[in-house]
This record gives sequence, C-alpha cells and structure tokens, in this order.
Amino acid sequence: EIVLTQSPATLSVSPGESATLSCRASQSVTTNLNWFQQKPGQPPRLLIYGTSNRAADIPDRFSGSGSRTEFALIISSLQSEDSAVYFCQQSAAWPLTFGGGTRVEIQ
Amino acid sequence: DVQLVESGGGLVKPGGSLRLSCAGSGFDFSYYSMTWIRQTPGKGLEWVSSITRDSLSINYADSVKGRFTVSRDNARTSLYLQMNGLRGDDTAVYYCTRHAGVRSLTAIMFWGQGTVVTVSS
Repeated sequence: EIVLTQSPATLSVSPGESATLSCRASQSVTTNLNWFQQKPGQPPRLLIYGTSNRAADIPDRFSGSGSRTEFALIISSLQSEDSAVYFCQQSAAWPLTFGGGTRVEIQ
Repeated sequence: DVQLVESGGGLVKPGGSLRLSCAGSGFDFSYYSMTWIRQTPGKGLEWVSSITRDSLSINYADSVKGRFTVSRDNARTSLYLQMNGLRGDDTAVYYCTRHAGVRSLTAIMFWGQGTVVTVSS
C-alpha cells in the first residue's frame, strides 16, 4: 500500500500570503497525484489532478507540482474562503490511498 | 451539472446489513468508473471499492473484502454497495464518486454529499 504523508498538519496564514502544502509518497506514484479541498459539512472537491492540472472552475491561485514521491500544492494570495482541509490522493495503484490532510487556517 | 445522490444509510446493529444506492445524473453514467469512499474523523478518507463501467473490473479494500459487494445498473444510472457483516469500524460517511474516465485508476472528479452509516448496538 502506498502511504501518503502530508505536512504540516496545520498551517496558519494571513490573507494575501502564500501557502505550500507537502505530500510525500512511500513509493513512486509518477504523476498520479491529486489534491482535494474539504470544508466543514461538505464533501471533498477536486482541485488538482495528475499533479499539476487544475480541475474545472478552480482559480489559478491553486497550483500543483512534483513527481514520483514528492508533491506540493501551492495556494497563492490566500483568501478567507480557502480555509479548509486539503488532502492528497494517489491514483497510481490499488488500493487508492489518501493523505491525512493539512488544515489551512486564515488568520 | 454532474449530480451524485446517495441514499440508504442509517443505524444498524453489528452483524447487520445495509444497501447503499447512488443515483447519477448530468453525465453519461455508463461511460465512467465509479468508486465508494468513506470518511471518519479518526481514520480520515478511506477507499472502499471501485467498479469499471462494464462491471468487469472490481476492486475492494482489504477491510471490506468478502463483506461488501459493489454493483451498478447503467440503465438506471445507479451505483450500489451491499454491506453485510457490518462492524463498528464501518461507521462512516459513505461517498459515491465518479472517476475522470473509463479506467478506475484515474482521478476522482466528483463526489456526492454522502450518506451516514452508523453501526451500533
């Protein structure tokens, strides 16, 4: 099973700042790494698929990078609406697995 | 717009059964692979089972293998999850999700709102 480790667990940032969220895989997932945003009481929403492709209607403030075992989600010009938990997920191999999440708090 | 609406959740005793349903609309249901994912506060997001459009390729998490059965009815644009031998650690919000395409090893593009399953005596 591919284990995904996200860091940090919590990130507290001010509006307008940038945030970099990390996701490390226990073995290579090539570029089959996806990012989701989840707000309280809502299902996860796809942000980035295939490491760096933005999903429909996702603002270009969200970007993804990486390959093999090291990945990042960068959120620039953070807004209050970006307060959420962010999960990475690999679609390279069974079983599909998720990271434990990074909570982003906007100060 | 893509819509996935789950139903069938509820309270069930350990050892009992439940059948979850997911009605898909706003897309060609018969084209896409579909997946059930569950979420708990303690264990986070956990993949449960995936099924390809033609039901020829089905995968299960080890934690549910032999107890859960996934199926679909493309004519009814519906996905199902038959859950037998339920245990306390099956308590979760269950999400119906749609993949990016035909293959199951693709990004999960859309999620339903979820249905709550509680296993307790």
